[in-house]
Amino acid sequence: DSGVTQTPKHLITATGQRVTLRCSPRSGDLSVYWYQQSLDQGLQFLIQYYNGEERAKGNILERFSAQQFPDLHSELNLSSLELGDSALYFCASSPQGPDQPQHFGDGTRLSIL
Amino acid sequence: EDQVTQSPEALRLQEGESSSLNCSYTVSGLRGLFWYRQDPGKGPEFLFTLYSAGEEKEKERLKATLTKKESFLHITAPKPEDSATYLCAVRGSGTYKYIFGTGTRLKVLA
Repeated sequence: DSGVTQTPKHLITATGQRVTLRCSPRSGDLSVYWYQQSLDQGLQFLIQYYNGEERAKGNILERFSAQQFPDLHSELNLSSLELGDSALYFCASSPQGPDQPQHFGDGTRLSIL
Repeated sequence: EDQVTQSPEALRLQEGESSSLNCSYTVSGLRGLFWYRQDPGKGPEFLFTLYSAGEEKEKERLKATLTKKESFLHITAPKPEDSATYLCAVRGSGTYKYIFGTGTRLKVLA
């Protein structure tokens, strides 16, 4: 058990809809990272937050947004969903910055019908 | 552009048959190379961090090594429970993000 909690484990929704994925980092970790994992592309970095502030952006679509709250949990919002958004979405956390290893949750599997 | 290539894509070993997985990388100013293990339906599990060429880390049957262009994950006398996908990631200077390879799917047969 990594200590990173992601909810829900599975989400099934339709094109055009909006969903929110939630992540609780390990106790004491200030950094949260979001990744997308699809079969053909592996793990793709989306965005990082550190202590409530956005620190780095990767290949995150404009339809996606994220935030980290004062209690350090984070949410990833996906809107105007398309079939291609079907993937596993992982959250990871680390104590401070990226020099320290990231510990991953077990992901949310998003299926768009 | 930072890039990570892992080989082979898939590997089948008999129990006890040692082998190595390769992670070749191109990065501007390596700030860390990370190995993870991922089981089906689970998130990646951290194994090792390597920071500089010549560094080695060991954990049970696994040993990771690092050169200026690649890293190897050596698996000695593997067991069926070592079956998983092994992922390599790098972070370069001037960026906070990790670049992951697509992994090596390892299957160890009893």
